[in-house]
Formats: sequence, C-alpha cells, structure tokens
Amino acid sequence: EVQLVESGGGLVQPGRSLRLSCAASGFTFGDYAMHWVRQAPGKGLEWVSGINWNSGAIVYADSVKGRFTISRDNAKNSLYLEMNSLRAEDTALYFCTRDLRGSSVRTGWFDPWGQGTLVTVSS
Amino acid sequence: DIQMTQSPSYLSASVGDRVTITCRATQRISTSLIWYQQKPGKAPKLLISGASTLHSGVPSRFRGSGSGTDFTLTISSLQPEDFATYYCQQSYTTPFTFGPGTKVDIK
Repeated sequence: EVQLVESGGGLVQPGRSLRLSCAASGFTFGDYAMHWVRQAPGKGLEWVSGINWNSGAIVYADSVKGRFTISRDNAKNSLYLEMNSLRAEDTALYFCTRDLRGSSVRTGWFDPWGQGTLVTVSS
Repeated sequence: DIQMTQSPSYLSASVGDRVTITCRATQRISTSLIWYQQKPGKAPKLLISGASTLHSGVPSRFRGSGSGTDFTLTISSLQPEDFATYYCQQSYTTPFTFGPGTKVDIK
C-alpha cells in the first residue's frame, strides 16, 4: 500500500523556523516527483513546492520562494520542507503528495496524499 | 499565474440528484485539469485527470468534461458518500493552482 506520513508540524513563533518531513512507503520513492500542498484552516488548497526525482528540478510558489526549501533523500524514502521566516499566513495543514505521472515535477497530478501535519505560526 | 474559479461554491442536493460543478481557468489549459474530492478531516483524493479520465477505483457516476478554459464535473446520481468538497486544479503549468472548492451538502 502506498503511504505518505508527514511529521514535524507544531506551534512556532513568527520569524522562526520549522522542518517538515514526509516518510514514503509502498512504492519506489526515487521514481517520482514529490510536492507539498497546504490548506489553511477552513480554506482551500494551495500548492507550495515540488521536486523532481533526482532533485534536479525544484519549483516554489511565489508566496514561499526564498523562505522555504524543499529537499529529498531517496535512500531514506523521505521528503522534507525547511520553512524559515515563518509568518502567520503560513499557518496551515501541510500535505505531502506524490506526482502520479512519475519523475517530472511539471506534471502536477497529485496522488496519493498524506494526512498532513499542522503548522501554527503564532506568538 | 493561472487563476481557477468554481461555481457554485456551495450546493445542497439530495441522494439520487444529478449534480454539476463548473470550473474555469483564466487562460487556456487544454485538458490539463484535475478534480479532487475532499471529505472533512481527510486528505484530498484524485478523481479525474486530463479533464475526463476517471482515476482507478472512482465510480462511473462521476464524469468530467471540457477543454480550454471551461470544465465540468458531473455526478449522475448523488450517493451518501459523495457529500464532500470538490476542487479543480490546473496541471498545465507551475505554479499549480486550485479552484476555491465546491461544497456538496445534504439537502
């Protein structure tokens, strides 16, 4: 069974940093691009960042560019999101998701999704 | 960036009803349109890709159509498990963008 499990969320003060992790299992992690998508409480979905299979192509939403860094470790079947200079508007449930079509970060078919990890930015 | 809109934002329907949700892109995206279903407290699930291709395991009562800028998700006969929020998303180019969602509620 394909499974994605996020961790690392929590309550953090504005301006501070947090690192999210996503553990993948049930598929050949290194064959797929991966993405982070977030959802503010009671709101819709916002794509945050994506990384291709070998970390050779990385893309970010403008809202996080320069503050967030996506990375992966294929040997550990893990995806990461380093979040710096956090703002109140970054408060959201952060989902890890696989690009269903394969290794390219540019196809944008998200399936499956993890259950998410909640990040709350507040003083 | 490509903006996505959906209508209606909310609809109330009964079991057995035919339901139609529309999604519009601010520029032409061919058939690069995905539909997701999200139930409360759960992660989204991919329903339809390429505007009209049903994902594995998705019931045939779901149908997607459209190309260019205008798209439609139709549920032919609403079932109790279909009450959820539905999102469209363009996969044409980054940044990938989602519609604001359509909540389908029980009448």
